[in-house]
Amino acid sequence: DIQMTQSPSSLSASVGDRVTITCRASQSISSYLNWYQQKPGKAPKLLIYAASSLQSGVPSRFSGSGSGTDFTLTISSLQPEDFATYYCQQSYSTSMYTFGQGTKLEIK
Amino acid sequence: EVQLVESGGGLVKPGGSLRLSCAASGFTFSNAWMSWVRQAPGKGLEWVGRIKSKTDGGTTDYAAPVKGRFTISRDDSKNTLYLQMNSLKTEDTAVYYCTTENSYGPKGPFFDIWGQGTMVTVSS
Repeated sequence: DIQMTQSPSSLSASVGDRVTITCRASQSISSYLNWYQQKPGKAPKLLIYAASSLQSGVPSRFSGSGSGTDFTLTISSLQPEDFATYYCQQSYSTSMYTFGQGTKLEIK
Repeated sequence: EVQLVESGGGLVKPGGSLRLSCAASGFTFSNAWMSWVRQAPGKGLEWVGRIKSKTDGGTTDYAAPVKGRFTISRDDSKNTLYLQMNSLKTEDTAVYYCTTENSYGPKGPFFDIWGQGTMVTVSS
């Protein structure tokens, strides 16, 4: 199985901050990497697909980059509604998808 | 409105069975590849398995922890996805989400439509 490792596991930041979350795959996954946001008690929401493509309706302050094994999710200017948990997910191995363990973004 | 609505969760004893349903609306369900993703209390997301559309063979894939115990099926006439869970273990306790697996040309796949989830508790 392809293992996905996110860092950090948790992060404290302030409104207006620029934040970067990293996701590393245990083997090359090309650009088959997606990012999701999840708020407490809610289903995950797709933010970024194919490493850098912004899902329709997602604010442009969210961006993704990377290929191969190393990927980043960047929020350019944190808004109050962005405090949530973020997950990366590889879709390279279509018979066995895997998620990162999550990064909890909290208000400082 | 595009929507997925899960049902069928509840409390079941270890070794028992449960069937979850996911009713789809607002899109062409028969063309969709569908997955189940679960989340244990306080934990991260775990992919459970997937069923392809019948036009793409209707085949299934499962994560190792559930292979041989869980079965995914679909009834396109009812726009409904199912997850039959047998030989349940305490570690299967989780919220279970159904989700669509989509692609935009060569970009994807990804999970873009999610249900609200249904809770399954396995406990004696």
